[in-house]
Amino acid sequence: DAGVIQSPRHEVTEMGQEVTLRCKPISGHNSLFWYRQTMMRGLELLIYFNNNVPIDDSGMPEDRFSAKMPNASFSTLKIQPSEPRDSAVYFCASSQLFTGEQFFGPGTRLTVL
Amino acid sequence: GNSVTQMEGPVTLSEEAFLTINCTYTATGYPSLFWYVQYPGEGLQLLLKATKADDKGSNKGFEATYRKETTSFHLEKGSVQVSDSAVYFCALSDPQGAQKLVFGQGTRLTINP
Repeated sequence: DAGVIQSPRHEVTEMGQEVTLRCKPISGHNSLFWYRQTMMRGLELLIYFNNNVPIDDSGMPEDRFSAKMPNASFSTLKIQPSEPRDSAVYFCASSQLFTGEQFFGPGTRLTVL
Repeated sequence: GNSVTQMEGPVTLSEEAFLTINCTYTATGYPSLFWYVQYPGEGLQLLLKATKADDKGSNKGFEATYRKETTSFHLEKGSVQVSDSAVYFCALSDPQGAQKLVFGQGTRLTINP
């Protein structure tokens, strides 16, 4: 298995631009999670889906952030407009329902200038 | 609410030293407990887990025992190697069955040759 795939691995953009991060979960996994990691705030859960349905988006920082999961093999996290404080590493993870064990992707390092 | 508290880092040891990283938790019910490891530039990987009281998780020479009476899940290794240098996260799964993991703040471990 290829594991969780994220793209791009690195993104540098200017303030105000739209950013879209992509994730392909492990085949057969029913749950998908988006996290953000910074030195100041550590690892934060932004949103998670079960069977493509958003279950908890209480970690999404504000309306500039949105996430979709149109099918079982693809999810996006969009930031519009981006701001310098959004600079972080964004991780996608997937798991089978109710196992607790999550498999993380390699992350996307986002830099907003 | 559910929470995880980890030993503050960073921790620096010499090769072949004994390692303990403390982790305590607060939860209602009976969560599963996990240790994840993050190597530089990578996503988190599951290191070991325990699903009920007195279970011992082990992997790659690391061990941790689920202690319900002390609400702890301390990570230990008898003889560390330079390749063990990484950030270690303790986590628990929501005992109410939700998919979320609650992570500690992480402990950075550096092993010197």
